[in-house]
Amino acid sequence: DTGVSQNPRHKITKRGQNVTFRCDPISEHNRLYWYRQTLGQGPEFLTYFQNEAQLEKSRLLSDRFSAERPKGSFSTLEIQRTEQGDSAMYLCASSSSGQGLYNEQFFGPGTRLTVL
Amino acid sequence: AQSVAQPEDQVNVAEGNPLTVKCTYSVSGNPYLFWYVQYPNRGLQFLLKYITGDNLVKGSYGFEAEFNKSQTSFHLKKPSALVSDSALYFCAVRDRNGGSQGNLIFGKGTKLSVKP
Repeated sequence: DTGVSQNPRHKITKRGQNVTFRCDPISEHNRLYWYRQTLGQGPEFLTYFQNEAQLEKSRLLSDRFSAERPKGSFSTLEIQRTEQGDSAMYLCASSSSGQGLYNEQFFGPGTRLTVL
Repeated sequence: AQSVAQPEDQVNVAEGNPLTVKCTYSVSGNPYLFWYVQYPNRGLQFLLKYITGDNLVKGSYGFEAEFNKSQTSFHLKKPSALVSDSALYFCAVRDRNGGSQGNLIFGKGTKLSVKP
């Protein structure tokens, strides 16, 4: 399967702990996005990478959140000092740059975070 | 502010009947519109997009959508619903705010239920 993969699929943690999620995009895609989805809502944009450069961050991305894409391939999203409000599904998506910014994004299955 | 509205939380259709899932948008300038479907425990799957050109866009799995600029709508349609179409459907618009790198703004989603 050459789709977007995310690990882990589920993460349960206690409040105050740090967690890290990984996303492996489709190999030829240079654009990578992170979104957060809570129950009953559509995904909300968190941050965007083009290759290894983080070019955009949402106001939703507090200073407890950090994302990296060190070699322009996989990406990690870390949440420090987790809070119960961080409980959500974290989605990763990737796209190519062939048609500019109009390309569809391909989504991974998500990582469901539960903060106790 | 740019936004997408899906006025129906749930749509119920009998198998074999036509289905419509509604979406309206609010953007500055020309909209770039997308439909995604989300099955349980799976990531969002791209169905179709409107960038420019013909107002009737055809997509995956027999779905199509009609762009109506005067009504600022982009309703998803299918002539004959299948039970397997039951899922959560999201309409999205590409963020065109200054500096945006193509992230999507999603509606809240519409649950489609197709009964045999």
